[in-house]
Amino acid sequence: AQTVTQSQPEMSVQEAETVTLSCTYDTSENNYYLFWYKQPPSRQMILVIRQEAYKQQNATENRFSVNFQKAAKSFSLKISDSQLGDTAMYFCAFLAGGTSYGKLTFGQGTILTVHP
Amino acid sequence: SAVISQKPSRDICQRGTSLTIQCQVDSQVTMMFWYRQQPGQSLTLIATANQGSEATYESGFVIDKFPISRPNLTFSTLTVSNMSPEDSSIYLCSVVFRRSNTEAFFGQGTRLTVV
Repeated sequence: AQTVTQSQPEMSVQEAETVTLSCTYDTSENNYYLFWYKQPPSRQMILVIRQEAYKQQNATENRFSVNFQKAAKSFSLKISDSQLGDTAMYFCAFLAGGTSYGKLTFGQGTILTVHP
Repeated sequence: SAVISQKPSRDICQRGTSLTIQCQVDSQVTMMFWYRQQPGQSLTLIATANQGSEATYESGFVIDKFPISRPNLTFSTLTVSNMSPEDSSIYLCSVVFRRSNTEAFFGQGTRLTVV
C-alpha cells in the first residue's frame, strides 16, 4: 500500500508571487504516476499537473511546475505568478502503474489562499 | 473533452433514509470509481464500479451500506443507505477513459447533508 503526505494544511501567498506546496509519498512500486489536483469551492476536482515516475524531467504546465525527487519520494508543486483564481484546496495524488487504472491515493490536502 | 454529469449536486436527507447518486459520462470509459470526501478532509476511495458485475469495495466500505450499480460503460449509481449524520460528505464519481488510463477525471460531486 502507498501513502501520500501533505504536511502543510494551509498556505497563503500574495498575488503575483510564487508559492510551493509540499508532498511526500511512500511506495514500493517502481512504476507509478503522481498528480496535483485543485479543488476550488465549487467542489470540482481539476487536474493541474502529472508526472510519470520513469521520467526524470520535471513536468511543467504554464505557471505550474513540479520538483520531483524520486529518491527522496518528494513531489512538490510550484505556482508562479499566483492569481486569485488559484485559491483552492490542492491535493497530491498517487497512482500505481499496472492494473490500478485511475485508482488514486490522495494526500490530506493544502488550502491555498491567494491574497490581492 | 468528455462531460461527466453527477446528480444531484446536493441534498439534505433525513437519517434512516437512502439516497441514490447518479454519474453519467458522454463517452465510454474504462473504469468508474466512487470517492467520499468527509468535511475538510481528503478523498477516500469507496469502490470500483464494475460493468455488469458487483462492485469492488475498499476496506471499511460494504455493499449493504453503499450499493453500486454500473449497467453499461457510461453510467453508474451509488446509493448511501440507512443514512446517519456521519454520512454527511461530498461523494465524487471518477472515471478513466480508454485513451488515457493513467488520468482520472471527476464529476462535480454531490454534497450530502444528513439531519
